[in-house]
Amino acid sequence: DQQVKQNSPSLSVQEGRISILNCDYTNSMFDYFLWYKKYPAEGPTFLISISSIKDKNEDGRFTVFLNKSAKHLSLHIVPSQPGDSAVYFCAASGVQGAQKLVFGQGTRLTINP
Amino acid sequence: DAGITQSPRHKVTETGTPVTLRCHQTENHRYMYWYRQDPGHGLRLIHYSYGVKDTDKGEVSDGYSVSRSKTEDFLLTLESATSSQTSVYFCATGTTNTGELFFGEGSRLTVL
Repeated sequence: DQQVKQNSPSLSVQEGRISILNCDYTNSMFDYFLWYKKYPAEGPTFLISISSIKDKNEDGRFTVFLNKSAKHLSLHIVPSQPGDSAVYFCAASGVQGAQKLVFGQGTRLTINP
Repeated sequence: DAGITQSPRHKVTETGTPVTLRCHQTENHRYMYWYRQDPGHGLRLIHYSYGVKDTDKGEVSDGYSVSRSKTEDFLLTLESATSSQTSVYFCATGTTNTGELFFGEGSRLTVL
């Protein structure tokens, strides 16, 4: 049973436009959400996070939105750049110990020039 | 960077053979984790450690064991490798309970 779902395996966006990556979760006990970015042949790297007590967190070109009633979070990248092409994973923690992260399947983002 | 080194980075082995993957960290992080990445599944937790000699199972622990005898080293062992364990394995470390983890570069294991 997939507790964290990224229903779009891939997304293609033109350079300079907004990229929106979506993530849904099923367990209301999750209280901390994160986005990781992964390039080929490298390990994932932390991008941005949000606590369940907030509905928005912004860091430069990256903004994460959390809608707890819908159990949905999204990552906005504005403006999108070629270096943003990567696989993005959303993750959640809070169940069975905060140190256990549950990851989604990932979305491959391609930024076209 | 959290100074995480995984070895070997690539390994091809045969079904039924034992395999040990090593994770070494230089940052003195308390928590260490082993994840596997497979297409369509994202990253799934195999085992984790919250201190020396303190380990626990993740969601896909069957067929795997771990050991942590020193803060800096976390070993993942496949006692008898199977083809279903062909995957990319990532070690990660963490310092807090907020979930931010630092990942190694991965170890690609192929079981023939």
